[in-house]
Amino acid sequence: DAGVIQSPRHEVTEMGQEVTLRCKPISGHNSLFWYRQTMMRGLELLIYFNNNVPIDDSGMPEDRFSAKMPNASFSTLKIQPSEPRDSAVYFCASSLSASGIDEQFFGPGTRLTVL
Amino acid sequence: RKEVEQDPGPFNVPEGATVAFNCTYSNSASQSFFWYRQDCRKEPKLLMSVYSSGNEDGRFTAQLNRASQYISLLIRDSKLSDSATYLCVVNKGGQNFVFGPGTRLSVLP
Repeated sequence: DAGVIQSPRHEVTEMGQEVTLRCKPISGHNSLFWYRQTMMRGLELLIYFNNNVPIDDSGMPEDRFSAKMPNASFSTLKIQPSEPRDSAVYFCASSLSASGIDEQFFGPGTRLTVL
Repeated sequence: RKEVEQDPGPFNVPEGATVAFNCTYSNSASQSFFWYRQDCRKEPKLLMSVYSSGNEDGRFTAQLNRASQYISLLIRDSKLSDSATYLCVVNKGGQNFVFGPGTRLSVLP
């Protein structure tokens, strides 16, 4: 079975440009998470969805960040405009239910570099 | 104080050694606990959930002390393939997962 799929795997862009990261969760999973990982701050939860509905976006750093989940098989994380401090690895993860005890399955991540 | 703190590491141990990692969390209302493993430049993967009674999976033993807000992971007979960063994860409510900074382990031949 395919795991969580993310695209692109690498993105290099210039400051001020719009960046869109994509995620396809595991089929049948009802929860989806977006994380950001940096050396300085570690792995941080940005936002999560249950049944395509955003539940908690308190981890989204600024209004420049937005996330959507138009259906059960697709989510996007958008940064507009991007800044050099947004450079990080962005992971998408999915889990079977909203119980809070299920394993999270992570995608391979998108490595973003903003010049 | 950070919500989840771990031994800073790195831990460099010889093959066959026993190594223990510690983790503390600040939110007493936290409800579920996990250890994830992350290899270099890879995504995190679940190693094991941590239950109140403690649990074991082969060479790995996890323990939880709710009163002290403390979680541990013990690895026995360490293998070269155990080299990775070990992340302590706490669910502080709903699905608000907080990851610790991780402890890096290098098992040496």
